[in-house]
Amino acid sequence: DTAVSQTPKYLVTQMGNDKSIKCEQNLGHDTMYWYKQDSKKFLKIMFSYNNKELIINETVPNRFSPKSPDKAHLNLHINSLELGDSAVYFCASSLDGTTDTQYFGPGTRLTVL
Amino acid sequence: AQSVSQHNHHVILSEAASLELGCNYSYGGTVNLFWYVQYPGQHLQLLLKYFSGDPLVKGIKGFEAEFIKSKFSFNLRKPSVQWSDTAEYFCAVNPGYSSASKIIFGSGTRLSIRP
Repeated sequence: DTAVSQTPKYLVTQMGNDKSIKCEQNLGHDTMYWYKQDSKKFLKIMFSYNNKELIINETVPNRFSPKSPDKAHLNLHINSLELGDSAVYFCASSLDGTTDTQYFGPGTRLTVL
Repeated sequence: AQSVSQHNHHVILSEAASLELGCNYSYGGTVNLFWYVQYPGQHLQLLLKYFSGDPLVKGIKGFEAEFIKSKFSFNLRKPSVQWSDTAEYFCAVNPGYSSASKIIFGSGTRLSIRP
């Protein structure tokens, strides 16, 4: 009965490829997020969506494109993958994106060779 | 720019020792404060949070944190750690109330407990 789920859990791919990571939450939350955690465990927000609308778009290369088909899903598509994209990507959700607690997914470990 | 500082990068303790992890933030307005924990190979989970009221907040697994506004600090404490507390601990600050506000995470403190 997972609250925030991500697929795949592991993703190994070659430089230059295009890949997607999917995220789904069954908590009825309005806001969803993507975070990148680098090898030093530093966690940085990339995007957030509130009710399918983009709210936060940090300084992220435009090779990264989030898509929210409905408020329960927020997918991340990455074009032309680079070595530096290797990281763990976490999806999260919160009730309304303001003061509320964020609930994190299990993460997707992306390795670009 | 707003920031969150966790000065202890790696803390090593023996079981039953007392723990205090530091967290300082740089934002002068009203903030919401969080501590998250990431056990090895797992996702982040909320330990505790402060929104308002009593500045001493109690969380899960015997953790507590104290918000000291004058020091811009929100240190995490536990009187007696266990081996199972080995994890990465992240302090986080939400510096606003609009939907465009975002949580800013500290760089994390790795806690290793010797059995």
